[in-house]
Amino acid sequence: AQKITQTQPGMFVQEKEAVTLDCTYDTSDPSYGLFWYKQPSSGEMIFLIYQGSYDQQNATEGRYSLNFQKARKSANLVISASQLGDSAMYFCAMNPIYNQGGKLIFGQGTELSVKP
Amino acid sequence: KAGVTQTPRYLIKTRGQQVTLSCSPISGHRSVSWYQQTPGQGLQFLFEYFSETQRNKGNFPGRFSGRQFSNSRSEMNVSTLELGDSALYLCASTGLVEDTQYFGPGTRLTVL
Repeated sequence: AQKITQTQPGMFVQEKEAVTLDCTYDTSDPSYGLFWYKQPSSGEMIFLIYQGSYDQQNATEGRYSLNFQKARKSANLVISASQLGDSAMYFCAMNPIYNQGGKLIFGQGTELSVKP
Repeated sequence: KAGVTQTPRYLIKTRGQQVTLSCSPISGHRSVSWYQQTPGQGLQFLFEYFSETQRNKGNFPGRFSGRQFSNSRSEMNVSTLELGDSALYLCASTGLVEDTQYFGPGTRLTVL
């Protein structure tokens, strides 16, 4: 069955430090996309970063990088130099139907709190 | 480019009523997906429309339905509302040449 697992319900990080949010996935499809979204208390899901299953290099977007280990089926999000505005829920998601829009499978999320 | 818009942002209904939510995708996007988010079940996929056709469907009862218009705007309808339908309903749009879904701000539905 296709599934996303986020094992950290909540995390704390000191401002300006780096933090890693864990995500493991399960799929038998050879082609898939992996995503991270941020959801502040306002509710909107904000796209952060994307990794395709055939991408050779880890994706990076500003302070966000995705540590993609295909053999281990993990796609951890690394946030460098945390800021107070990074406090939010973070969701890892997978699209098992590569490049056909469609349906995202989400993990349960990790609540990140950044301390001043 | 304007983002995904959803209306209304908040709704209060009573059990047994029906409700229609609207989603306007990013200009040029033809795929619209709908999700339900609840504290207990998390984020669950409802359905996806592409070029006015339902392309994917999640595991929800028939009370949940949707449609897409020729301008790619989409509506979802929930009939005979139940207390458990109280949730944040999110829609997302996807472009033709990318795999990323961009979300709207959501509609928060409360069923009393």
